[in-house]
Amino acid sequence: GQNIDQPTEMTATEGAIVQINCTYQTSGFNGLFWYQQHAGEAPTFLSYNVLDGLEEKGRFSSFLSRSKGYSYLLLKELQMKDSASYLCAPMDSNYQLIWGAGTKLIIKP
Amino acid sequence: GAVVSQHPSWVICKSGTSVKIECRSLDFQATTMFWYRQFPKQSLMLMATSNEGSKATYEQGVEKDKFLINHASLTLSTLTVTSAHPEDSSFYICSARDGVGEVDEQFFGPGTRLTVL
Repeated sequence: GQNIDQPTEMTATEGAIVQINCTYQTSGFNGLFWYQQHAGEAPTFLSYNVLDGLEEKGRFSSFLSRSKGYSYLLLKELQMKDSASYLCAPMDSNYQLIWGAGTKLIIKP
Repeated sequence: GAVVSQHPSWVICKSGTSVKIECRSLDFQATTMFWYRQFPKQSLMLMATSNEGSKATYEQGVEKDKFLINHASLTLSTLTVTSAHPEDSSFYICSARDGVGEVDEQFFGPGTRLTVL
């Protein structure tokens, strides 16, 4: 079957760094997306990895290891507005995104 | 980036009525549109995938006669919830893919919150 495993909730301090891990199993693989979703809103795109390694985009970086079925999202210099759910979504062989419940990130002052 | 709009943003209706939700890609042609449903504190659940001019492909467990999807043009898809009941109350989100970019990204609409009384 296909499944996503992320921590349900994480807490971090404003200005700090946090890493959100994701392990996945899919039927085929066509890349992995990270989305941010604030409560009551639709997801917004953060990053896409299709090759192994680290992709850096401003305060956010995403890492992928295809052989391990593992990815992480790294958030630096945390701001209060980063409080949201973070969704790891691999794309399977049919180009369908597979969604988990996401990780709720709580930022404290 | 590409913009997808949804209308209405929220709707309250009586049980037994039908509700239509529109999803539009504003600055690109969407070869494929997706309809999702999300219950509170749960993951996005794909309901159906639609390609312009063809019948939608529904996920297992989604009633195609209850959730009617029309993808009449490359910029518009509609989801009609027929004979809505309180258990259909949810957050409905559409997304669109243009299929031409380097990244096969789905662009999400802002969502429609449906409450059935």
